[in-house]
Amino acid sequence: EVQLVESGGGVVRPGGSLRLSCAASGFTFDDYGMSWVRQAPGKGLEWVSGINWNGGSTGYADSVKGRFTISRDNAKNSLYLQMNSLRAEDTALYHCARTMVRSGSYLDAFDIWGQGTMVTVSS
Amino acid sequence: DIQMTQSPSTLSASVGDRVTITCRASQSISSWLAWYQQKPGKAPKLLIYKASSLESGVPSRFSGSGSGTEFTLTISSLQPDDFATYYCQQYNSYLGTFGQGTKVEIK
Repeated sequence: EVQLVESGGGVVRPGGSLRLSCAASGFTFDDYGMSWVRQAPGKGLEWVSGINWNGGSTGYADSVKGRFTISRDNAKNSLYLQMNSLRAEDTALYHCARTMVRSGSYLDAFDIWGQGTMVTVSS
Repeated sequence: DIQMTQSPSTLSASVGDRVTITCRASQSISSWLAWYQQKPGKAPKLLIYKASSLESGVPSRFSGSGSGTEFTLTISSLQPDDFATYYCQQYNSYLGTFGQGTKVEIK
């Protein structure tokens, strides 16, 4: 079964750090670009960051540029998001998502999504 | 950055109705547009990619059209399972952008 499972969320104080992980299974992970998409409580979807199939190309939303870092370990079938200098407005459910095009960019339609991991930034 | 604007924000409809949701891009995105359905507490589900291509397993009552800056998602005959929130997403630029969402409610 093709699956993405996120972990690493939790409660953190403003200015703190957190590292999210996304474990992929059921497909050849290093064939696909991947992204993180978040959803604040009661709000819409926001693309956060993406990485292409080999890690050679990354992109970030303006709202997180310079604070978040995306990476992947193809040997471990895993995607990561290092989040530093966290703010209250980063509070959201963070989903990892797979692009539907093999060996492509990090940005495409997303055909596989994880259920998400919740990040709460609060003092 | 490319902005995506969906309309309406909320839509009240009955089972069997034909429903149309519009998504406008702030600049041309060719046909690089996807549509998703999201139900409460669930991850989004891909319905349409490349503006008009139906994702495998998605019922044929869903269809997409448009190119450039104006796009539509049409549900030809609304079913009880279709009451949900729908999002468009552009993937033309190096930054992804979603529309703000359209909630389809029971009339």
